[in-house]
Amino acid sequence: EVQLVQSGAEVKKPGESLKISCKGSGYNFLTYWIAWVRQMPGKGLEWMGVIYPGDSDIRYSPSFQGQVTISADKSISTAYLQWSSLKASDTAMYYCAKRGSASRYTVDVWGQGTAVTVFS
Amino acid sequence: QSALTQPPSVSGSPGQSVTISCTGTSSDVGSYNHVSWYQQPPGTAPKLMIYEVSNRPSGVPDRFSGSKSDSTASLTISGLQAEDEGHYYCSLYTSSSTVIFGGGTKLTVL
Repeated sequence: EVQLVQSGAEVKKPGESLKISCKGSGYNFLTYWIAWVRQMPGKGLEWMGVIYPGDSDIRYSPSFQGQVTISADKSISTAYLQWSSLKASDTAMYYCAKRGSASRYTVDVWGQGTAVTVFS
Repeated sequence: QSALTQPPSVSGSPGQSVTISCTGTSSDVGSYNHVSWYQQPPGTAPKLMIYEVSNRPSGVPDRFSGSKSDSTASLTISGLQAEDEGHYYCSLYTSSSTVIFGGGTKLTVL
């Protein structure tokens, strides 16, 4: 079974750093890009960026360029999303999702989400 | 690139059909068939329902169908069931290899 399993919920203070993870299993992790998607409380989905694990090429959505860092460790089939200095406005659910097997223009499997809460 | 436009809400009774629209421009939705639809029940992760305008992944009931006309893509759900409730999002994979989402539509089964 193809799965993406994300790390657990986080509660942080403004200014702190954070790195959340997304571990792929049941498929060749190197073959399909992994995207990160933000969903703020009560709001819609926002595409943050994507990493191609095979060559570590990364594409950020303009809104998130410079705000977060996407990375991956091929040896453990895991993608990461990190912040160097969190803000209250980073409070959201974060999902990872993999490129579709049947189409490169979609995502077909999503992680369960990681809730990030930032407050002082 | 602007978000795609969806109606905030739609509703229907069990057994009826509903259609959710997703409007872009001639430069995005009108030019590419890279439209997907996702279902998100409350408190859960999104689930892929339709890709490339009208293709259903394995396991998605054939009550769900997708289409496109000019700059508007549509998701139709026939034979509505209570389990269909939730939010639905369209998305477009753009020529710059990023994805834009619609604002989401809340489906209520009356």
